[in-house]
Amino acid sequence: DGGITQSPKYLFRKEGQNVTLSCEQNLNHDAMYWYRQDPGQGLRLIYYSQIVNDFQKGDIAEGYSVSREKKESFPLTVTSAQKNPTAFYLCASSLGDRRTTDTQYFGPGTRLTVL
Amino acid sequence: AQSVTQPDIHITVSEGASLELRCNYSYGATPYLFWYVQSPGQGLQLLLKYFSGDTLVQGIKGFEAEFKRSQSSFNLRKPSVHWSDAAEYFCAVGGYGQNFVFGPGTRLSVLP
Repeated sequence: DGGITQSPKYLFRKEGQNVTLSCEQNLNHDAMYWYRQDPGQGLRLIYYSQIVNDFQKGDIAEGYSVSREKKESFPLTVTSAQKNPTAFYLCASSLGDRRTTDTQYFGPGTRLTVL
Repeated sequence: AQSVTQPDIHITVSEGASLELRCNYSYGATPYLFWYVQSPGQGLQLLLKYFSGDTLVQGIKGFEAEFKRSQSSFNLRKPSVHWSDAAEYFCAVGGYGQNFVFGPGTRLSVLP
């Protein structure tokens, strides 16, 4: 079945450590996105990529980094510079590169907790 | 800049009752509107979307939504709620040149 997978489902990090969240899709979608979700808030865009080897900052990119070396993969690194990283992280993808209008499809999410 | 409001943080309905979740948006041009549902600890699932044409759109799981340009609204409805509909519901708006904006969500509880 086609879809988006995220791993791990739960992740614990000590302060000062960098961690990488995995996102893979087999939908042959061009665009991929990372969102952060906090309780009582909507989703906020961290980074997006419309094509391989290119990505753009979203609304809350500080303390995060990404790469897009393959069409199907878009890993997110939460660095030690991110002051409040505990959150639920969602990866999404869309068919075309029209990030503003194409339907976005979501993975199951990764819950990151900083100890 | 575009924005989305969902006035109801939490709604409780009895199983079998009708449901309406409100969504209001602010966007200067033609909006692309979406409703997603999220079960606890899960990702978002698309319920329905509106791009153009008929202002009443049908989605999965018996949901429908009506686009009212004059009221800048895109309310989600279901005639008879099932216990499995308990979840969080997000409205989102997209448009040319703007990233998706999600509302804060409405949590739905269903009483037996």
